[in-house]
Amino acid sequence: NAGVTQTPKFQVLKTGQSMTLQCAQDMNHEYMSWYRQDPGMGLRLIHYSVGAGITDQGEVPNGYNVSRSTTEDFPLRLLSAAPSQTSVYFCASSYSRASGTDTQYFGPGTRLTVL
Amino acid sequence: AQSVSQHNHHVILSEAASLELGCNYSYGGTVNLFWYVQYPGQHLQLLLKYFSGDPLVKGIKGFEAEFIKSKFSFNLRKPSVQWSDTAEYFCAVNRVNRDDKIIFGKGTRLHILP
Repeated sequence: NAGVTQTPKFQVLKTGQSMTLQCAQDMNHEYMSWYRQDPGMGLRLIHYSVGAGITDQGEVPNGYNVSRSTTEDFPLRLLSAAPSQTSVYFCASSYSRASGTDTQYFGPGTRLTVL
Repeated sequence: AQSVSQHNHHVILSEAASLELGCNYSYGGTVNLFWYVQYPGQHLQLLLKYFSGDPLVKGIKGFEAEFIKSKFSFNLRKPSVQWSDTAEYFCAVNRVNRDDKIIFGKGTRLHILP
């Protein structure tokens, strides 16, 4: 299994540009989530999904959209990038829909810079 | 409101010293608790987790944590650290029967001197 994969690894955007961060897992996991990691702030939950067709907001959802059309994929969209979205983004997945009882597996991260 | 507090932002120890990293949460109901570790340049990975039962949980690489419900705490311990334990450590909480979110603390950066 490849586990949780994320693309791209690095990205530089200009303010106002849009882009999609890709996340895929091949472990048939129900639960997937997106976090951003900023110095001194830890990991903050952006959006999560407990299964295909179901998404919900986390702690810091503003400026980000998600969809979950398949079990495997959980893309994160930035519609109009802002410098405040400069961060490292991690995707994670776990087997159970009841994510709180299950280990999360993290991807390698995408380092995004917005100029 | 911050649900998970990690009191130590940066800890520096010498090899063989004992380690205790603090974690407190602010939820009065049932919780599931986790410690994750991020070694330099690597993915986050699970160290240990607590769901129920024995409040003293043992994880990988000699780490353990104790859940003290009355203190809303889940501190991470290791009796003798190694240089390879240099990493960032995150405590995380799931509020059972409230939502499916896993909320992380701000992390503690641990630096072990050889």
